[in-house]
Amino acid sequence: DTAVSQTPKYLVTQMGNDKSIKCEQNLGHDTMYWYKQDSKKFLKIMFSYNNKELIINETVPNRFSPKSPDKAHLNLHINSLELGDSAVYFCASSKRTSGPGWEQYFGPGTRLTVT
Amino acid sequence: QKEVEQDPGPLSVPEGAIVSLNCTYSNSAFQYFMWYRQYSRKGPELLMYTYSSGNKEDGRFTAQVDKSSKYISLFIRDSQPSDSATYLCAMIDMYSGGGADGLTFGKGTHLIIQP
Repeated sequence: DTAVSQTPKYLVTQMGNDKSIKCEQNLGHDTMYWYKQDSKKFLKIMFSYNNKELIINETVPNRFSPKSPDKAHLNLHINSLELGDSAVYFCASSKRTSGPGWEQYFGPGTRLTVT
Repeated sequence: QKEVEQDPGPLSVPEGAIVSLNCTYSNSAFQYFMWYRQYSRKGPELLMYTYSSGNKEDGRFTAQVDKSSKYISLFIRDSQPSDSATYLCAMIDMYSGGGADGLTFGKGTHLIIQP
């Protein structure tokens, strides 16, 4: 019973292709995110999605687009893939709990390689 | 100036030593401060979080936050080889858009515990 799951785990594709990564959480969290971890292991927020409100990091190219069919899913579509898109993409979800509580879980990551 | 600074290491210590990991930050709006552990080719795993200033202890781990100095620390007592991983500090301003901006991460410290 994985909390945050992503598919596929590995994705190898050629430049110019369009691909999607799927993410699902079964935690009942109300906010979901996509993060990118580059070759130097630096994690950076790409998008967050909360109750139909999408917040986009201004540095993300518009070739990247998140799609949320429902509260438990946030998929990532990437058009016209470029070599620089090669990275590990992590989905995450979060929820504020009682008091000043907080919980967040990351998915296992999708390793994207663009050739 | 980067928002969160963290020494990437590697930091190598003998088994049983006390490990000290640190981050500094510049955004005084952050209220939640997290420490994540990431093993190679895995997603980040939340170890601890602290709300505002103060200390928090969980087993062998102690997190400290000093908001006046914009400095956070993670201490690991009786370190074990299984603690070898990359440790990422992260922080978030939950009161601006309900955390929709996501976490701001440090670059991570690669920790090696020598048996």
